[in-house]
Amino acid sequence: ELKVEQNPLFLSMQEGKNYTIYCNYSTTSDRLYWYRQDPGKSLESLFVLLSNGAVKQEGRLMASLDTKARLSTLHITAAVHDLSATYFCAVDTNAGKSTFGDGTTLTVKP
Amino acid sequence: DVKVTQSSRYLVKRTGEKVFLECVQDMDHENMFWYRQDPGLGLRLIYFSYDVKMKEKGDIPEGYSVSREKKERFSLILESASTNQTSMYLCASSLKLRRPPEKLFFGSGTQLSVL
Repeated sequence: ELKVEQNPLFLSMQEGKNYTIYCNYSTTSDRLYWYRQDPGKSLESLFVLLSNGAVKQEGRLMASLDTKARLSTLHITAAVHDLSATYFCAVDTNAGKSTFGDGTTLTVKP
Repeated sequence: DVKVTQSSRYLVKRTGEKVFLECVQDMDHENMFWYRQDPGLGLRLIYFSYDVKMKEKGDIPEGYSVSREKKERFSLILESASTNQTSMYLCASSLKLRRPPEKLFFGSGTQLSVL
């Protein structure tokens, strides 16, 4: 059974600081997704990572994938308040269904 | 833009009622999914479907069934609602796997309360 673990589950940061969210998964997969969820809203796709060494960046967020270590990271650079949300990673099995981590709730404080 | 529409944003039902949650997508996606989201438990897959009239059990199918009579519509059915089915239900869709892997597009969710 595929297990997906995120850490930390809760993260409080000051504006302007950098931090990394980690996503570990237990079985082989080469497809990993990052989603963002704002309070009371649904999930929105951020990144799709398809191969070992893949790196995607958008604004202050950068995601990477190491399939050998079964690890993805979501790096936040110079955080701003607008990045406050819950971030989920999700890993696809060969059956095409996604297994989600528990989410990391990020709060960026002035 | 892909649109995934869930028929109700909030729903209140009584224990034992039969409940239908409807989901419609407008981008001709083959795959459709039902997840539930609970605090501290993340998203858990209930059922999914790769094509019309096809359905596959997810990780927590007990107490639920689904129907996919048309490609654009995927319904989740609670045969006899119970209080432990109080949750946020999220519908999602994606393109079929033979194309480059696609992300999920989510609906806005239905917050179901079973009293």
